[in-house]
Amino acid sequence: EIVLTQSPGTLSLSPGERATLSCRGSQSVSSSYLGWYQQKPGQAPRLLIYGASTRAAGVPDRFSGSGSGTDFTLTISRLEPEDFAVYYCQQYGTSLWTFGQGTKVEIK
Amino acid sequence: QVQLQESGPGLVKPSQTLSLTCTVSGGSISSGGYYWSWIRQHPGKGLEWIGYIYNSRSTYYNPSLKSRLIISADTSKNQFSLNLSSVTAADTAVYYCARAIRGELDPWGQGALVTVSS
Repeated sequence: EIVLTQSPGTLSLSPGERATLSCRGSQSVSSSYLGWYQQKPGQAPRLLIYGASTRAAGVPDRFSGSGSGTDFTLTISRLEPEDFAVYYCQQYGTSLWTFGQGTKVEIK
Repeated sequence: QVQLQESGPGLVKPSQTLSLTCTVSGGSISSGGYYWSWIRQHPGKGLEWIGYIYNSRSTYYNPSLKSRLIISADTSKNQFSLNLSSVTAADTAVYYCARAIRGELDPWGQGALVTVSS
């Protein structure tokens, strides 16, 4: 099982600032099969990024993903009020898909 | 546009079987290339992948749940289902269904809260 560790647990930032979220795997993630999701309270998660760096349909270009192997990053270039949420990474490079524990981006 | 909707009892007694159905609209679960998946989220916690069905018959389950889990599909109703037996309070969670292509999950249903309690 690939364990994904996200850091930091909580990120306190102001609107307009840049957010950098990390996701580290206990093993290399095959073919960069790594996705990022946003979840707001009371809502289902929403796919933002797949294949480590490809934005899903309708996702604003302020969201970008990068990385390979065991280290991946989600960057939000300029935080909008609607971006304050919990973000999860997920790997699907093995038969057993796993999620990170989440990073909460909160308003400072 | 594909949409998914979970349905089923919101309350299940301990030791019984939790049964949920996901109804898919705007697309067919019979069409190849998709993994029709279940994910759960314990209250205030992170996401746990449960398992999926593809090609209407083949399944893969999280090993931690495999002994209690069955995922099946009814192509005539365009639905797929989750049955989790011998439930305990630890199975209380919001259960989501979702479609995956390579493994990225999109879209998701709105989720169904299932509470295990006597």
